[in-house]
Order: sequence, then C-alpha cells, then structure tokens
Amino acid sequence: QQQVKQSPQSLIVQKGGISIINCAYENTAFDYFPWYQQFPGKGPALLIAIRPDVSEKKEGRFTISFNKSAKQFSLHIMDSQPGDSATYFCAASMDHKGGKLIFGQGTELSVKP
Amino acid sequence: NAGVMQNPRHLVRRRGQEARLRCSPMKGHSHVYWYRQLPEEGLKFMVYLQKENIIDESGMPKERFSAEFPKEGPSILRIQQVVRGDSAAYFCASSRRQGAEQPQHFGDGTRLSIL
Repeated sequence: QQQVKQSPQSLIVQKGGISIINCAYENTAFDYFPWYQQFPGKGPALLIAIRPDVSEKKEGRFTISFNKSAKQFSLHIMDSQPGDSATYFCAASMDHKGGKLIFGQGTELSVKP
Repeated sequence: NAGVMQNPRHLVRRRGQEARLRCSPMKGHSHVYWYRQLPEEGLKFMVYLQKENIIDESGMPKERFSAEFPKEGPSILRIQQVVRGDSAAYFCASSRRQGAEQPQHFGDGTRLSIL
C-alpha cells in the first residue's frame, strides 16, 4: 500500500522527442506527487509536483498528467535534450505523515543527440 | 545561500566499525529527512527529525541505526557495527516547514562503502 511503481526502468529518446515516464500508486491517502531529477553523483532535485485535484500541470518543457481514478500519473518531457539525461524519480507523500517521500524505483533517461 | 551540506562525501569502514554521517540543513530549515539509496534502487525513507525530536523513524532498521538532530549543530545518522549490506548512498533532505507540499532540498549524499 505504501509502494509507488515506476516504469520504464530505462528509456532512450532522440533529441527533440518526447520522454514519457509512468507511475502508479495504491494508497489513496497520498495527497502530493513530486518528481525529482538526479544526475550522477548528485542528490535528487525537485522538478515539478502536483496535487491529486489537478489533472495536469506544466512547467516549461515538463508536464505532469494525473489520473486520480486510475491512480496513475506521468511525466512528459517535451523536446527532450541531451542535458535532460538523468535518472528521474516519481514520489508520493501524505500531509498528515509529515511529508516523508515514498519514491518509485527510478527511470534512467538517455537522450541521444 | 548554501544548500544542504553532507559530509563526508565518501566514507569507507570495515565491518564492525561505526559510521557517522553528518547533515547540515539549509539556513532556516528545521526539518530533516534521511533516505538510503541502494545500488540500482530508488530512495527509501529512513527517518524524519525536527530540532531535538524524532518525528517518524518508521524506515529505520530496528538495530544499529540511530539519528539525532540537536539544538545546535548538524543532524547525525549513526550506524554501529556496520555490515556489508549497509553499503549505500545516504541522502539528507531539509525543509522549512512540515507538510507534503514543503519542498525537500537534498544534499549530494554520503557514499558509504563497507570493506
């Protein structure tokens, strides 16, 4: 019930293409869904986040789509660039649990020039 | 504007020794979270602390692991009698206030290797 499942494990996209990473959760008590980007040797950095009462949120080339009934959400990276090559983690948290993050397993994205 | 500072960046210990990992949160942040990242896996929550208090330690192994966040100084994650399975990257994150929407800012981690 505490799990967040993420797919795919790895993804290769051509420069200019769209990268799509999917996540699914079971616990309907989750009320906040952030995405983190992590480069090798670095800590995760918050990219974009969404609440379940919103179906879509866009920030620049990054968009989260949220399907509350299906308990799924996804990250879309438009016009993918080589500099986007990193590991991406979806996560979920609950306000009343102090905000601890439950992470997905991660997706290693490689954008080819 | 210093971010979350973790030290050391790399730590090598022999089995049975103690490992002590330090985390200085961002200025003005009084909430600290510790996460562990095993090779090829995502990050797993370990413990959440507020100044001088442990709020949630549901992710901490029951033995050998402890954490503190004193009134003065950094938060410390202590692992006693380390074993090979403790080899991992340990990340600390801090936030200004409690709550799911409060952004957690991560340090660059401590890579712990057990010989």
